[in-house]
Amino acid sequence: AQKVTQAQTEISVVEKEDVTLDCVYETRDTTYYLFWYKQPPSGELVFLIRRNSFDEQNEISGRYSWNFQKSTSSFNFTITASQVVDSAVYFCALSEVIVSYNTDKLIFGTGTRLQVFP
Amino acid sequence: DTGVSQDPRHKITKRGQNVTFRCDPISEHNRLYWYRQTLGQGPEFLTYFQNEAQLEKSRLLSDRFSAERPKGSFSTLEIQRTEQGDSAMYLCASSLEGVDTEAFFGQGTRLTVV
Repeated sequence: AQKVTQAQTEISVVEKEDVTLDCVYETRDTTYYLFWYKQPPSGELVFLIRRNSFDEQNEISGRYSWNFQKSTSSFNFTITASQVVDSAVYFCALSEVIVSYNTDKLIFGTGTRLQVFP
Repeated sequence: DTGVSQDPRHKITKRGQNVTFRCDPISEHNRLYWYRQTLGQGPEFLTYFQNEAQLEKSRLLSDRFSAERPKGSFSTLEIQRTEQGDSAMYLCASSLEGVDTEAFFGQGTRLTVV
């Protein structure tokens, strides 16, 4: 069965601190995609990053970085030098490639609420 | 408008009434998804369209729920005989066809059943 676990319910940091959001996933498939989405108070889910199961190269994009490790089924997300505007709920998600009907529905974790205080 | 648009943003209805929500995807996106999000949870998949064809429905989608995408553009989600347990945020997303794409979400319709 597919499952995404975000064990951290809520994290509070002071501005300029680094923060890492954890994500652990379960899937039986060899081909899958992992995502991070941000949901600010306005409610709209904002896409941050997508990684496929064959690409374990970690990446840094501005203040964001990702650590994908298939050996531990983890896809962690780090914000460097956090800012108040980073305050939001962050969701990790998994999609499997169902070739037969070409769907890529997302399985979401329960989210981690990040609060950045000035 | 370059984003996914949902209408209405908020809906309060009495138990037992029918409600209908609309989603306008990004124009060139042929895939459209509906998700439901309850307080403190992540979104849960409800149903998926590729063009006008509804290709997958979740077990969460009871007989009281129906979704359509008649011309492969906008979509509607109808809930009949609403129950208090239907209170949630209903999110629509769209994406291009292909496996290496991301879904773009609308701001959602928040339904409150009283």
